[in-house]
Amino acid sequence: DIQMTQSPSTLSASAGDRVTITCRASQSVSIWLAWYQQKPGRAPKLLIYKASSLESGVPSRFSGTGSATEFTLTISSLQPDDFATYYCQQYNSFPWTFGQGTKVDIK
Amino acid sequence: QVQLHESGPGLVKPSGTLSLTCTISSGSIRSSNWWSWVRQPRGKGLEWIGEVHPGGSTNYNPSLKSRVSISVDESKNQFSLMLTSVTAADTAVYYCARDSPMLNWGQGTLVTVSS
Repeated sequence: DIQMTQSPSTLSASAGDRVTITCRASQSVSIWLAWYQQKPGRAPKLLIYKASSLESGVPSRFSGTGSATEFTLTISSLQPDDFATYYCQQYNSFPWTFGQGTKVDIK
Repeated sequence: QVQLHESGPGLVKPSGTLSLTCTISSGSIRSSNWWSWVRQPRGKGLEWIGEVHPGGSTNYNPSLKSRVSISVDESKNQFSLMLTSVTAADTAVYYCARDSPMLNWGQGTLVTVSS
């Protein structure tokens, strides 16, 4: 299985901050990497697919970069609605695997 | 917008079989190539269980492959999950989802394994 490792596990930030989350794969996943946002008691929501493509309806302050084994999710200016847990997921090789999550909380 | 809704027993006895159904509304099961099940133990991360094609082909997570079966019922616009020989470790919120990556998700259903 491809192991996905996110850093940091927790991130404390303030509204307006620029936030970057890193996801590393144990082997290349090419560009087949997605990012999700999950709020407590809710299902995950797809933000980014193919490493850098913004899902329809997702605010442009979210962006994704990377390829092969290293990827980043950036929130350019953190909004109150963005405090949540973020997961990366590879869909290059079965089984699809997720990172352990990064919780973004209020500083 | 396709909507998904999970249904099934919320409590399953150890060594029993977990059975869940995902009903698709505002769309057809033929509208996507793959339909997935994902689970999340309380306070933990996401685990992909497997996926089914409307034609019936499946892909499973090897960690669960010996116990899992996912099937599709086009006539009912549904797909289903069966997980056998469950233990407390299978207690989780179970989600159904559309496509890879997962574009649409159900709201999730909590399944507790307990006697």
